[in-house]
Amino acid sequence: AQTVTQSQPEMSVQEAETVTLSCTYDTSENNYYLFWYKQPPSRQMILVIRQEAYKQQNATENRFSVNFQKAAKSFSLKISDSQLGDTAMYFCASSASASKIIFGSGTRLSIRP
Amino acid sequence: EPEVTQTPSHQVTQMGQEVILRCVPISNHLYFYWYRQILGQKVEFLVSFYNNEISEKSEIFDDQFSVERPDGSNFTLKIRSTKLEDSAMYFCASSESRANQETQYFGPGTRLLVL
Repeated sequence: AQTVTQSQPEMSVQEAETVTLSCTYDTSENNYYLFWYKQPPSRQMILVIRQEAYKQQNATENRFSVNFQKAAKSFSLKISDSQLGDTAMYFCASSASASKIIFGSGTRLSIRP
Repeated sequence: EPEVTQTPSHQVTQMGQEVILRCVPISNHLYFYWYRQILGQKVEFLVSFYNNEISEKSEIFDDQFSVERPDGSNFTLKIRSTKLEDSAMYFCASSESRANQETQYFGPGTRLLVL
């Protein structure tokens, strides 16, 4: 069975600071994907970044990057130069088959002006 | 950019009534999914659908739920007799293929309130 754990229910940082959201996961699969989704107050689920488990290189998307530690089953999200629009709920998620995505409980991130 | 759409955005219904939530997946996608998110909780998988049949379902997806692809574009979730605990945000998602575990793209959701 897959599990995803986010141990930080809430975080708050000042605008322009860098923030790191933590995530650990567990899976018995060899091939899997990891994701970070953003859910703003509108509650739409927006894909932020994804990482293929077989790739050693950490994924980056502009100000967003991940630190993927496969042996430790850790997948943290770093947001650089944080902006007010980054305020949202962030969900870490994994998929070991194309049939479903397993989500963590989320981290509520607030960016203070 | 293609996107998944869902209608209605909000629905209020009485307990025991049937509701149908509609989704239009991205046009070249072949795999379709429904998820739900009870307020304040994590997003939970309900069901996946491929080639006109269910490929996987969770224990949440009991006999009160059904899915259908009635035509070439729509993908629906029906709840036959709604309960108070069905109140949630329902997300539809689609992915292009199963090979290489293609990313699922989510719609904006339907907020269902059962009174």
